[in-house]
Amino acid sequence: NAGVTQTPKFQVLKTGQSMTLQCAQDMNHEYMSWYRQDPGMGLRLIHYSVGAGITDQGEVPNGYNVSRSTTEDFPLRLLSAAPSQTSVYFCASSYSWQDRGYYYGYTFGSGTRLTVV
Amino acid sequence: KNQVEQSPQSLIILEGKNCTLQCNYTVSPFSNLRWYKQDTGRGPVSLTIMTFSENTKSNGRYTATLDADTKQSSLHITASQLSDSASYICVVSPRGSTLGRLYFGRGTQLTVWP
Repeated sequence: NAGVTQTPKFQVLKTGQSMTLQCAQDMNHEYMSWYRQDPGMGLRLIHYSVGAGITDQGEVPNGYNVSRSTTEDFPLRLLSAAPSQTSVYFCASSYSWQDRGYYYGYTFGSGTRLTVV
Repeated sequence: KNQVEQSPQSLIILEGKNCTLQCNYTVSPFSNLRWYKQDTGRGPVSLTIMTFSENTKSNGRYTATLDADTKQSSLHITASQLSDSASYICVVSPRGSTLGRLYFGRGTQLTVWP
């Protein structure tokens, strides 16, 4: 199993450009989420999805869009990149809470390092 | 406001020594608390997860404790190894409709010297 695959690993954008960060998992996880990690700060939740067709906002959703058309994929779109979005982005997935009362089997991707100039 | 605070921010220990990392949280209502290890340039990897009814959980040389009354957790590392050098992150989930929202601490950067 590949687990959680993020592409690209590195990206440089100019201010105002748009792009999509890809995230795919092959574990049939219902739950998927996007985080950003900045120096000296904990991971912050951007958006998450509890199943195909269902998404919700996290702590820092502004400037980002998501959709979940399939169980496997959860892309993160930056519509108009800003220097403040320079960060490392992590995608994660997990099994549903219904078995244990909480989301378990959390697996993180290896990250996408994004620089906006 | 839901918060997770970790201490110390950084820690240096000699190989073979033990250490304890602390986590205090205000997330409420509480569902579960996790400890993750994050190596430089990698994604976090789960070490332990505890619900409110559990007060200790072990994973090899890692032992986590939880006091849900005082909203405190600790991660004890025994007989440290060079490979333990990493950031250790405390993560708390609320109960209820926002179960999917994880709140992350800023991490404790552990360095193990030979």
